[in-house]
Amino acid sequence: DAKTTQPPSMDCAEGRAANLPCNHSTISGNEYVYWYRQIHSQGPQYIIHGLKNNETNEMASLIITEDRKSSTLILPHATLRDTAVYYCIVGSSNTGKLIFGQGTTLQVKP
Amino acid sequence: GAVVSQHPSWVICKSGTSVKIECRSLDFQATTMFWYRQFPKQSLMLMATSNEGSKATYEQGVEKDKFLINHASLTLSTLTVTSAHPEDSSFYICSAAGTGGNSDTEAFFGQGTRLTVV
Repeated sequence: DAKTTQPPSMDCAEGRAANLPCNHSTISGNEYVYWYRQIHSQGPQYIIHGLKNNETNEMASLIITEDRKSSTLILPHATLRDTAVYYCIVGSSNTGKLIFGQGTTLQVKP
Repeated sequence: GAVVSQHPSWVICKSGTSVKIECRSLDFQATTMFWYRQFPKQSLMLMATSNEGSKATYEQGVEKDKFLINHASLTLSTLTVTSAHPEDSSFYICSAAGTGGNSDTEAFFGQGTRLTVV
């Protein structure tokens, strides 16, 4: 079973920041938090991952709480092309094995 | 990011025939590949873990004799759906994790294969 809980859907205005929450209260010490997104009828796209420190790359920022029980993915300036299903996944970095939950459907609106 | 390629992107086959789907890691060596299946409006479901040079590990409820997996090299894994039936129609997706390049700590996904069995 997936180890994360995400809201099923969210809306965001184009140009505004999209903040996608994820709860992972049972995360263990050596597990990472991964974020992927899936645009309709395509394979999932890697966004970002982290262990305990906040991370930022060209796509997004990942904020992980100090107790690591939750995290937030931030898309700083959402565009219409960011409309997708966003998956928060907890897993070991050594295997690449990812168990997907239901994700959050983000709808970016003009 | 690392590139994983699937072929074909879509396939239509007759009921009772077999279909082979290829998954290739193009710029890194994939010691492990994973096969997922996704039905409409559902999330990805892990089917099996494919390890180079050894037998695949199947998730509970996945028939190993129906979904044959071969991982003969560090850059290629294949999934063969044998005696396909309409209920096998789905979106099949592979991912790869490996060594070297920038693939050490995350898995990269192929673009998926849409299988329709008629």
